[in-house]
Amino acid sequence: AQSVTQLDSQVPVFEEAPVELRCNYSSSVSVYLFWYVQYPNQGLQLLLKYLSGSTLVKGINGFEAEFNKSQTSFHLRKPSVHISDTAEYFCAVSEGTGNTGKLIFGQGTTLQVKP
Amino acid sequence: DAGVIQSPRHEVTEMGQEVTLRCKPISGHNSLFWYRQTMMRGLELLIYFNNNVPIDDSGMPEDRFSAKMPNASFSTLKIQPSEPRDSAVYFCASSLGLWNNEQFFGPGTRLTVL
Repeated sequence: AQSVTQLDSQVPVFEEAPVELRCNYSSSVSVYLFWYVQYPNQGLQLLLKYLSGSTLVKGINGFEAEFNKSQTSFHLRKPSVHISDTAEYFCAVSEGTGNTGKLIFGQGTTLQVKP
Repeated sequence: DAGVIQSPRHEVTEMGQEVTLRCKPISGHNSLFWYRQTMMRGLELLIYFNNNVPIDDSGMPEDRFSAKMPNASFSTLKIQPSEPRDSAVYFCASSLGLWNNEQFFGPGTRLTVL
């Protein structure tokens, strides 16, 4: 069965510093990987996704993530964060075979950007 | 496009009452998902539909929960009778197809059962 582990529940960081939010997954089949962001009192919105091709994926708001198949990881990075990046970030995985449509979400990482 | 629309945004009810949550997906999207979010359990998929047909309802916690999608532009999630442990934020999401397509989330319904 698929699962997603976000290794940090909270990540405090100062404004303009770099940040990495870690995500590991387990699956016996090929996968599609996603990062979503949730701002306070809002629904989730897609930051970026990996389906195939280049393992480095660029998303909105200056975020990027790298798919590492050997380490079953899909860590999210940003070289310089802003106060407005304060939010909850979710990693998610979908099976690449079949047509199940299910996304399995991690528990989320709260990014707290301090001035 | 208005995005995914959910109503009500907030619902406060008493234990034992029936609760109905509503969702209007993005026009043209043929897949719809219902999620529940709590601090303890995170984001859980309850049920999803493709072309108005329920595909997987294994996440529905109990028989007290039911969901319908009578047409492509409307879905409901009903809890009857409601219990305090049902208190959560319920999200509806829609997508164009399944698996690798982006899911667009609504703003959620915050349910409080007293």
